[in-house]
Amino acid sequence: GESVGLHLPTLSVQEGDNSIINCAYSNSASDYFIWYKQESGKGPQFIIDIRSNMDKRQGQRVTVLLNKTVKHLSLQIAATQPGDSAVYFCAENNAGNMLTFGGGTRLMVKP
Amino acid sequence: GAGVSQSPSNKVTEKGKDVELRCDPISGHTALYWYRQSLGQGLEFLIYFQGNSAPDKSGLPSDRFSAERTGGSVSTLTIQRTQQEDSAVYLCASSLASGFTGELFFGEGSRLTVL
Repeated sequence: GESVGLHLPTLSVQEGDNSIINCAYSNSASDYFIWYKQESGKGPQFIIDIRSNMDKRQGQRVTVLLNKTVKHLSLQIAATQPGDSAVYFCAENNAGNMLTFGGGTRLMVKP
Repeated sequence: GAGVSQSPSNKVTEKGKDVELRCDPISGHTALYWYRQSLGQGLEFLIYFQGNSAPDKSGLPSDRFSAERTGGSVSTLTIQRTQQEDSAVYLCASSLASGFTGELFFGEGSRLTVL
């Protein structure tokens, strides 16, 4: 499941800083949103989800914010660590069995 | 292992050949998904199996693509008469919940290269 993308947007942060990864979704009818993390050579891994009746949800070191007005989703990672380096995908679902994934953002953590 | 297992991990084939990709989901997971990931792209939904229900094939890009799931467990994705644009990583995922949940457990994928 390697996502090697020469054209992926890249966010470079210093270890210990907070990271914010943004995602714009397309379907105003989507009611469920998920963030996935994909490390090199691996399949995506679920991080956190949020339903459209919420605007914020917190996990361990991660927070997802949802702004339905502008169809925007963000993932905040507190105290970013080298192990957080990966490609991050947002995904949306608007009923049915299909998740629609965004194009991904590469997070690089500098030691 | 206890995760989703896919094989082969890498497959190189010539244009026009058929290929089969295999997925072993997590034991007990009733839902199984196939996605395709092209270089530098997000994941493209292909097909979904849930229990004994008819599969959702809405994402299959052409009739050269088919998939089956035998006995509610192992799934095989078949691509006939492969084309160069079929080159991608094919990811399988499974889920325990009967209703939709985004918490899919992905395998490491099968990288297909069509020469």
